Amino acid sequence: LAKTTQPISMDSYEGQEVNITCSHNNIATNDYITWYQQFPSQGPRFIIQGYKTKVTNEVASLFIPADRKSSTLSLPRVSLSDTAVYYCLVGDGTGFQKLVFGTGTRLLVSP
Amino acid sequence: DTAVSQTPKYLVTQMGNDKSIKCEQNLGHDTMYWYKQDSKKFLKIMFSYNNKELIINETVPNRFSPKSPDKAHLNLHINSLELGDSAVYFCASSLVKGALSYEQYFGPGTRLTVT
Repeated sequence: LAKTTQPISMDSYEGQEVNITCSHNNIATNDYITWYQQFPSQGPRFIIQGYKTKVTNEVASLFIPADRKSSTLSLPRVSLSDTAVYYCLVGDGTGFQKLVFGTGTRLLVSP
Repeated sequence: DTAVSQTPKYLVTQMGNDKSIKCEQNLGHDTMYWYKQDSKKFLKIMFSYNNKELIINETVPNRFSPKSPDKAHLNLHINSLELGDSAVYFCASSLVKGALSYEQYFGPGTRLTVT
């Protein structure tokens, strides 16, 4: 599975847009990019998944450039409750899923 | 309705004991997983079962034995517990249809402390 690299931590304030970038230089042709969110003392929660260009759902947007060697998770107008660890994963998204979690990005949202 | 539930939530035990953690999902998924998150917060997969069949078995000591009595349940039994087994164990499930099945649903976790 392709290795991912993310910033260890980020700080933001309420109401700001937060962009977390993930580097995956060795992404394979069949790989999808998936982001999970984990709050303290809880299991990870699926946020969004994409293959190329842009994907948007009610929670976030995922921007993927043409070369797919990186991706950016965009959280619009964050609130205190968005304080969590965000994980970027890549894999072919088929068959049996051996999710490989990296260190993630710890986002701290302050008032 | 809880989608993926685990019991117990906390488990404190002594070295050498044998303990079990239970997991149940009511999502109708066909694949279930066990993950371990250590003190450094690294989350690693341990096992995966699809329709009661073991399909992923990472490098885990054989003191850990998963059991899946049916598609909705995946239990984890640990023999001769060691200090290094202290961690949070997460159960997860997903529906595997061959395409875009990366969405796994995680349980609340079981914090195991071995003293």
